[in-house]
Amino acid sequence: DQQVKQNSPSLSVQEGRISILNCDYTNSMFDYFLWYKKYPAEGPTFLISISSIKDKNEDGRFTVFLNKSAKHLSLHIVPSQPGDSAVYFCAASGDGPARQLTFGSGTQLTVLP
Amino acid sequence: NAGVTQTPKFRVLKTGQSMTLLCAQDMNHEYMYWYRQDPGMGLRLIHYSVGEGTTAKGEVPDGYNVSRLKKQNFLLGLESAAPSQTSVYFCASSPHGRDTEAFFGQGTRLTVV
Repeated sequence: DQQVKQNSPSLSVQEGRISILNCDYTNSMFDYFLWYKKYPAEGPTFLISISSIKDKNEDGRFTVFLNKSAKHLSLHIVPSQPGDSAVYFCAASGDGPARQLTFGSGTQLTVLP
Repeated sequence: NAGVTQTPKFRVLKTGQSMTLLCAQDMNHEYMYWYRQDPGMGLRLIHYSVGEGTTAKGEVPDGYNVSRLKKQNFLLGLESAAPSQTSVYFCASSPHGRDTEAFFGQGTRLTVV
């Protein structure tokens, strides 16, 4: 049973508009949430994170929102740029001795020029 | 600063053959992980290590063995490769402590025929 779910396999957005990527989780032990970005033939790279004690974290064009009661987080990218086109993975940690990450299945974001 | 380096980048194996994937990190991280990525399934944890000389099973450990004889290296072995092990393998490392991100290697694409 997937503990971290990304229900949208793909998303297309016009350049300059907002991209919103969603993620749901089921494990209440998770206390740290991350977003990774992945280009083809490369490893995932860390993008932004949020601790469970917060409900929002911003870094430039990227903002992550956490709704603990709904077990839901989202990544907002404003404004979207063509270079943002990649697969975005949601991940969570907290349930394990090595704080290992549990990943969602990913969302392919395509930003159209 | 190389970060996390995986060797090899590509490999084709015949069913029943064995091989070892090498992961090296130069960030003095305590924790190391091996994940596999399959289409539509995100990254799944195979094995992990909380420190030199320690290993533990992740979500999908069957058919794999690991060793961490030195802090900077984490080896993933396939004793008798099967077509179901065709995948992209990612190694990652992270420092000890909460609220930290994992750093990933560039991946190894393995095909078992």
